[in-house]
Amino acid sequence: GQQLNQSPQSMFIQEGEDVSMNCTSSSIFNTWLWYKQEPGEGPVLLIALYKAGELTSNGRLTAQFGITRKDSFLNISASIPSDVGIYFCAGRRTGANNLFFGTGTRLTVIP
Amino acid sequence: GAVVSQHPSRVICKSGTSVKIECRSLDFQATTMFWYRQFPKQSLMLMATSNEGSKATYEQGVEKDKFLINHASLTLSTLTVTSAHPEDSSFYICSAWADTQYFGPGTRLTVL
Repeated sequence: GQQLNQSPQSMFIQEGEDVSMNCTSSSIFNTWLWYKQEPGEGPVLLIALYKAGELTSNGRLTAQFGITRKDSFLNISASIPSDVGIYFCAGRRTGANNLFFGTGTRLTVIP
Repeated sequence: GAVVSQHPSRVICKSGTSVKIECRSLDFQATTMFWYRQFPKQSLMLMATSNEGSKATYEQGVEKDKFLINHASLTLSTLTVTSAHPEDSSFYICSAWADTQYFGPGTRLTVL
């Protein structure tokens, strides 16, 4: 199946720094989702985006749905140790329930 | 939020045996559930889409006779890995569709 490309693949940052990661696709999606996965657990939904250009926040997290509908980014402000995990983007097309997942960004926060 | 559970969380089995994994939506009904497989340090790969009361739809390259899916009720889907082999060892994750996909905690399968 199709995979979305995420960058960077991994990040090592100091506690308190801001983080930015993005996700790109060769095709259009009508919904973009961002999930966080911790070791040995399933993904947990962080933010859902439903409209091109939409900018949505959830606490220290902010995500945007790209105008072209082929990309999305996620920002985390003032990172803390519990932000550690793998962040996945996922895209969904209109009329479909299945998701296409990104390759993931592994975040490490150094206290 | 919607809660999805999986059982068991971990299972170790001998090569050649079959293993059943359950996925339940606890506080909502889900006509559609999904089964994913995730190998270490990789992303989630969709295996199949499970629809209540009908046959599952398998992704290309996934053997339907090896990975049996049953979605007999609106809150339960099961994945049975038949004649498991070491290469089937992986992290299996289900999700259930409500307004979006909600994921279970995953099942770690180790085949010896």
